[in-house]
Amino acid sequence: EDKVVQSPLSLVVHEGDTVTLNCSYEVTNFRSLLWYKQEKKAPTFLFMLTSSGIEKKSGRLSSILDKKELFSILNITATQTGDSAVYLCAVEAQGAGKSTFGDGTTLTVKP
Amino acid sequence: KAGVTQTPRYLIKTRGQQVTLSCSPISGHRSVSWYQQTPGQGLQFLFEYFSETQRNKGNFPGRFSGRQFSNSRSEMNVSTLELGDSALYLCASSLGLGTGIQETQYFGPGTRLLVL
Repeated sequence: EDKVVQSPLSLVVHEGDTVTLNCSYEVTNFRSLLWYKQEKKAPTFLFMLTSSGIEKKSGRLSSILDKKELFSILNITATQTGDSAVYLCAVEAQGAGKSTFGDGTTLTVKP
Repeated sequence: KAGVTQTPRYLIKTRGQQVTLSCSPISGHRSVSWYQQTPGQGLQFLFEYFSETQRNKGNFPGRFSGRQFSNSRSEMNVSTLELGDSALYLCASSLGLGTGIQETQYFGPGTRLLVL
């Protein structure tokens, strides 16, 4: 059975801090790993990672995948209160449409 | 391009009733997946439809069913509702090009179902 474990489950930081969120996985026939940000609504897509060692970057957010060690990290630098959300990690196996999600990391950024 | 839309946005039902939720994917997307999100269980995959056929199925009882129409719109039905079915039901669409093609799923706003 495919499995995704995220850590930490929750995190409280102050504005300006840098955070690293972790996602480890076990999946048969790995295809991709995705990061989503979820506030009080449906998840919004952040990154899709398919190759090891290639960093994806979008503003203050970046992510990288290690397919040998089966994990990914999501970094957020210079955090802002608007970064407060649940960050979800999901893995897709071969065969489109089915993603297995982790429980998420709840990030709270205090002013 | 319009995003994924789901109706209704909120629903209150009582135990034993049935409910039908609707999802319209992004134009051109042929794959529609359904997820259940609860505080205790997180985001759980229900099933995926592609070209009017169920292509993948999660580990949910037979009370949960779905279908997809020729215009890719999808419906999800839950019969004999139980209290534990209270959740946010999310629909996500993607192009559905198949194995080996990297795709992104785009989520709708969800339908929040409360079973009393």
